[in-house]
Amino acid sequence: GEDVEQSLFLSVREGDSSVINCTYTDSSSTYLYWYKQEPGAGLQLLTYIFSNMDMKQDQRLTVLLNKKDKHLSLRIADTQTGDSAIYFCAESIGYKLVFGAGTILRVKS
Amino acid sequence: DAGVIQSPRHEVTEMGQEVTLRCKPISGHNSLFWYRQTMMRGLELLIYFNNNVPIDDSGMPEDRFSAKMPNASFSTLKIQPSEPRDSAVYFCASSSDSNEQFFGPGTRLTVL
Repeated sequence: GEDVEQSLFLSVREGDSSVINCTYTDSSSTYLYWYKQEPGAGLQLLTYIFSNMDMKQDQRLTVLLNKKDKHLSLRIADTQTGDSAIYFCAESIGYKLVFGAGTILRVKS
Repeated sequence: DAGVIQSPRHEVTEMGQEVTLRCKPISGHNSLFWYRQTMMRGLELLIYFNNNVPIDDSGMPEDRFSAKMPNASFSTLKIQPSEPRDSAVYFCASSSDSNEQFFGPGTRLTVL
């Protein structure tokens, strides 16, 4: 079946690293995505990783993929108050994106 | 590019009224998606169009919901009659064959 699970809430101090975790179920997913949603706004694609990769780094963002365990993580280095948002993990199944429920990241200054 | 454009941004209506949500995808994109976001159910795919043709409408909740894409630059999602449980944020997204979906800002619908 299609199911993506994330922890609901994460609180970190400004300057610390944040790690948001996600598990998915469909081993045939080609791409896995991280989207960011700020209050009152749409979803913004942050980064994605192809399923045959283990890691992808993009400035302060690092995505790790453990395909065996179907586990995806997003690490944000030097977290800033502007990073406070909801982060969605999504897996692609054909043309569809199946989203997790989202992780609320709160950054304390 | 202006990105995906949705209108209205907010809609408040009374139960039983017809609601029409509009979307303009990014120029050149051939796929369009309508999603609904609620606290209880998260993000749900309602319908997917490819080259203006509905490919998958299995997520449309019931017959009160209908969607059209008369041309490559415009789509509508209509709810008739609307009910309070339809209150949600409705997102439109578009993509080219790259599989990366770009989301609009959403329409926040409140049905009283």
